[in-house]
Amino acid sequence: GQQLNQSPQSMFIQEGEDVSMNCTSSSIFNTWLWYKQDPGEGPVLLIALYKAGELTSNGRLTAQFGITRKDSFLNISASIPSDVGIYFCAGPPGTYKYIFGTGTRLKVLA
Amino acid sequence: EPEVTQTPSHQVTQMGQEVILRCVPISNHLYFYWYRQILGQKVEFLVSFYNNEISEKSEIFDDQFSVERPDGSNFTLKIRSTKLEDSAMYFCASSGVGTSGGDQETQYFGPGTRLLVL
Repeated sequence: GQQLNQSPQSMFIQEGEDVSMNCTSSSIFNTWLWYKQDPGEGPVLLIALYKAGELTSNGRLTAQFGITRKDSFLNISASIPSDVGIYFCAGPPGTYKYIFGTGTRLKVLA
Repeated sequence: EPEVTQTPSHQVTQMGQEVILRCVPISNHLYFYWYRQILGQKVEFLVSFYNNEISEKSEIFDDQFSVERPDGSNFTLKIRSTKLEDSAMYFCASSGVGTSGGDQETQYFGPGTRLLVL
């Protein structure tokens, strides 16, 4: 079935560093969503993208909707310890169906 | 700020028992979803619900699963005869307040119910 692959799978970074992660799909999506999940909690929406090429920011987070519609990127600038968690991309292969990516686990070293 | 709520937060059950997981979506949302997440794995789509009927379901959502919106506020997931492999976090989500662009796609998740089947 369809799958969203995220890379890297996990990363350790120093506090203050910038972080980049991406999500790729074998098929075209018309929407890309980025979520963060803290341990034991539900995913929290960070950024939603609706148009190819769109670049959207939310504080220190910036996400881009790839021009091919098959990928998306999330950047976190000047990381802080509370950025730790798992970041998921998600998209709708169907009108009422959503699939999540494999996740990028971020660990920030103070 | 409005939020999705779920009860119970934790549920332990014996294999073969029925469980009902409850969700209260955001009040003016129109689309409702259930997802599950096995420990350490990704979030998996189970089912979407709109206009009082299932819109789409995944291959995971077999005959042992059912969903219902019994009143104007609750949205439930029933697992008829639980199996060990049903142990997971179950997340409810809701979206859509109207016809403006992006409303249907922007899903808000509840905190989840951790189900443990023994």
